[in-house]
Amino acid sequence: AQSVTQLGSHVSVSEGALVLLRCNYSSSVPPYLFWYVQYPNQGLQLLLKYTTGATLVKGINGFEAEFKKSETSFHLTKPSAHMSDAAEYFCAVSPTGGGNKLTFGTGTQLKVEL
Amino acid sequence: GAVVSQHPSRVICKSGTSVKIECRSLDFQATTMFWYRQFPKKSLMLMATSNEGSKATYEQGVEKDKFLINHASLTLSTLTVTSAHPEDSSFYICSAERTSGNEQFFGPGTRLTVL
Repeated sequence: AQSVTQLGSHVSVSEGALVLLRCNYSSSVPPYLFWYVQYPNQGLQLLLKYTTGATLVKGINGFEAEFKKSETSFHLTKPSAHMSDAAEYFCAVSPTGGGNKLTFGTGTQLKVEL
Repeated sequence: GAVVSQHPSRVICKSGTSVKIECRSLDFQATTMFWYRQFPKKSLMLMATSNEGSKATYEQGVEKDKFLINHASLTLSTLTVTSAHPEDSSFYICSAERTSGNEQFFGPGTRLTVL
């Protein structure tokens, strides 16, 4: 069985500051890993994903995440926060090979302050 | 490309009535569609996996007779909440998986309020 833990249900940063959202997973084998963003009353938008290959993955809107197998982590970062980054962020996993259901973390609400 | 729509975006209904929510992949074919439910301030919980031309696979604890899923074509899946009650009020989100790929594309969600 897979599970995802997102540490910190709320994260607050100043505009221009580093964004770090944490995600750890539990899986018998390294899964596929995803970060999604959700704006109020909207569906989810894929930020980035890791399947195979390079462990540092770059996504949209300046976000990136690094897959660290030894730490079973896939933390999301962005060097400089923008007001428009304020949203809910979900980490998710799916079994290797794809084509299967996603297991989501509980989400982290990112607040960006002036 | 890879746009998924849901209709309606919001629906308010009386207790005891049934509500149908449509999920459409607009520019690709989706063999598999997924239905999620999201409670306020909570994560998405998978309700069922819908495969075109076959019966849906429901997650544990989800009543298949209450949440009827039909995946009649490669671009359309429907979720019908039967005999809705206030506790069924929630945000329902669908996703569609390309026939040729392994990424899910999410719809914008449907806000259901049962009075």
